[in-house]
Amino acid sequence: DAKTTQPPSMDCAEGRAANLPCNHSTISGNEYVYWYRQIHSQGPQYIIHGLKNNETNEMASLIITEDRKSSTLILPHATLRDTAVYYCIVRVGSSNTGKLIFGQGTTLQVKP
Amino acid sequence: GAVVSQHPSRVICKSGTSVKIECRSLDFQATTMFWYRQFPKQSLMLMATSNEGSKATYEQGVEKDKFLINHASLTLSTLTVTSAHPEDSSFYICSARTTTGGSGYTFGSGTRLTVV
Repeated sequence: DAKTTQPPSMDCAEGRAANLPCNHSTISGNEYVYWYRQIHSQGPQYIIHGLKNNETNEMASLIITEDRKSSTLILPHATLRDTAVYYCIVRVGSSNTGKLIFGQGTTLQVKP
Repeated sequence: GAVVSQHPSRVICKSGTSVKIECRSLDFQATTMFWYRQFPKQSLMLMATSNEGSKATYEQGVEKDKFLINHASLTLSTLTVTSAHPEDSSFYICSARTTTGGSGYTFGSGTRLTVV
């Protein structure tokens, strides 16, 4: 079973920051948090991942709480093309043997 | 970056026939690939882990005799849906583990299977 819980849906105004929360209270010390998104009828697209430090790349920022029981994905300036289902995933297993178990995700609707 | 190609993107088959879906890693070698299934308005469900040169590992509740997985080379894994029925109609997605940058898990674009 997935080790994450996310709100089923969120809205965001175009141009504003989208903050997507995720709870992973049973995460273990060496388990990474991954974020992917899926636009309708396409394969999931990688966004970002992290262990315990905050991470930033060209797409988004990932803020992980100090106790690692929750995290927030931040899209700094949401556009209409960011409308998608966003999945927060805790990788089960190590980098060599791990697998991604998807939860239900958050449907983000970016509105003009 | 790592690219995973999945073929075909769409397939329609008659009930009782078998369908093969291919998943290729184009610019890297993938010793491990994953197969997922996704029903409409639902999340991705992991079906099995495919390891090059060995038997696939199936998740609980997935019929290994119905969903045959072959990973005969470092760049190709195939999923064959045998004796397909309408309830097998779904979106099938593969993923490959990569050690070259990014997340380490690259997904294909998916295959829409419709069984009539």
